[in-house]
Amino acid sequence: DSGVTQTPKHLITATGQRVTLRCSPRSGDLSVYWYQQSLDQGLQFLIQYYNGEERAKGNILERFSAQQFPDLHSELNLSSLELGDSALYFCASSPTGLADVFNEQFFGPGTRLTVL
Amino acid sequence: AQTVTQSQPEMSVQEAETVTLSCTYDTSESDYYLFWYKQPPSRQMILVIRQEAYKQQNATENRFSVNFQKAAKSFSLKISDSQLGDAAMYFCAYRSADNFNKFYFGSGTKLNVKP
Repeated sequence: DSGVTQTPKHLITATGQRVTLRCSPRSGDLSVYWYQQSLDQGLQFLIQYYNGEERAKGNILERFSAQQFPDLHSELNLSSLELGDSALYFCASSPTGLADVFNEQFFGPGTRLTVL
Repeated sequence: AQTVTQSQPEMSVQEAETVTLSCTYDTSESDYYLFWYKQPPSRQMILVIRQEAYKQQNATENRFSVNFQKAAKSFSLKISDSQLGDAAMYFCAYRSADNFNKFYFGSGTKLNVKP
C-alpha cells in the first residue's frame, strides 16, 4: 500500500458526460501528479500540482482540468467524455516539488474509467 | 522535451535466469534522475530502483541492478535469478532535476517469466 488513495476504483459513464476523479496523497506529500494510461499503453503525464498550485502541464486536453485543495487532495475533472477517454487514471504523490531530492513518486491504485 | 524509449515491447526469461531490459532517453540536461517502475497485473505502480545522474556508481536493489551509461544515455535494468513474481510491465522513467519536476515514462516492456 503506497498510502495514496484514489476514488472511485471503477467508473462507467456515457459519452458527453462529466466525471470527477479524486486523489488523496500520502500524508505530508505536497506534490500530486495525474497520469493517463490507455489499454496496453505507457503512462501519459497530464498535470502536476504542488501545494495547491499548478506546477507542470503535460498532454492534458482542454476538456480536462484539475485542482489541488488546501488539504492537498486533488481532483481531476473530465468533461464532454469521448470513447477514447477510456483509460486507467493514476494519481501519484511525492514529498516535495523541489529539484534537490529524489522525489520518487508513490502511485495510487488508479481509477478505471470506461466511456460507453 | 525529453523522450524515453523502451525498444523491447515484450521479453521472456526462464525462472532463475537473468534478463536485461533496455531503456534509452534523450535529454540536453546534465542533472536528472532515472527510475524503473514495475506494474504487475494488479496495475499498481511499484518503484523498483532509482539512479541519480551525477552518480557514476550503478544502483543495486537485491536482485535488481542497473547499467547506467550517461554518455550513451542508456539505463538498462538487470534482473537476476528471475522469479515468477517478476512477471509484469516495466517502465523506465526520467525526471528532470529542474523545478518543474516532470516525469517522462517509456512505453513499457512486458516481462514474461517461464517456470
